[in-house]
Amino acid sequence: DGGITQSPKYLFRKEGQNVTLSCEQNLNHDAMYWYRQDPGQGLRLIYYSQIVNDFQKGDIAEGYSVSREKKESFPLTVTSAQKNPTAFYLCASSPTRTGANVLTFGAGSRLTVL
Amino acid sequence: GENVEQHPSTLSVQEGDSAVIKCTYSDSASNYFPWYKQELGKRPQLIIDIRSNVGEKKDQRIAVTLNKTAKHFSLHITETQPEDSAVYFCAATLPDSNYQLIWGAGTKLIIKP
Repeated sequence: DGGITQSPKYLFRKEGQNVTLSCEQNLNHDAMYWYRQDPGQGLRLIYYSQIVNDFQKGDIAEGYSVSREKKESFPLTVTSAQKNPTAFYLCASSPTRTGANVLTFGAGSRLTVL
Repeated sequence: GENVEQHPSTLSVQEGDSAVIKCTYSDSASNYFPWYKQELGKRPQLIIDIRSNVGEKKDQRIAVTLNKTAKHFSLHITETQPEDSAVYFCAATLPDSNYQLIWGAGTKLIIKP
């Protein structure tokens, strides 16, 4: 459904634990993105990757890490350094590395810190 | 950097009436303006977009207008239906920022029966 699969859909974490959110796409898109969505706010960019083995920080990268070892995969790790990690996380991809592109989103992962 | 403001944050309209959501942007170099719709519990999906060389674009009941002089663009939904209830996000992108989207805060559209 939609070509982008995020897992898990729901995740609970204790304070001090790292967690990794999975994002896989079969659209052959070059670029992939991670956004954080909080109530009443727009989408805030955490990290993005335009090509394998390369990624850039977005506006709120502190406390997060990513990797892009394969074109299809762009996992996000929420580390214990992230002060307020409870949020809805959306992964997206777009066809090319340059130019304005349509984003295809995954269904999201909701992380709750207990 | 670019900043996008979106108004209103909540909009309630009677079914069948029209709805208008407005966004303003700060950087005149912005050249691409998409609108995404996010239904409750679902992923955002593109519903319409416009580029800076066009003043208006229409797709059935949905239209987007762009005023480059005033640096604002608007989403117009006519003959609203219950399935139009959702959160709508506008965005803008700058060509010198790797085309990263800057998002508005969203508008919750409620269609009253």
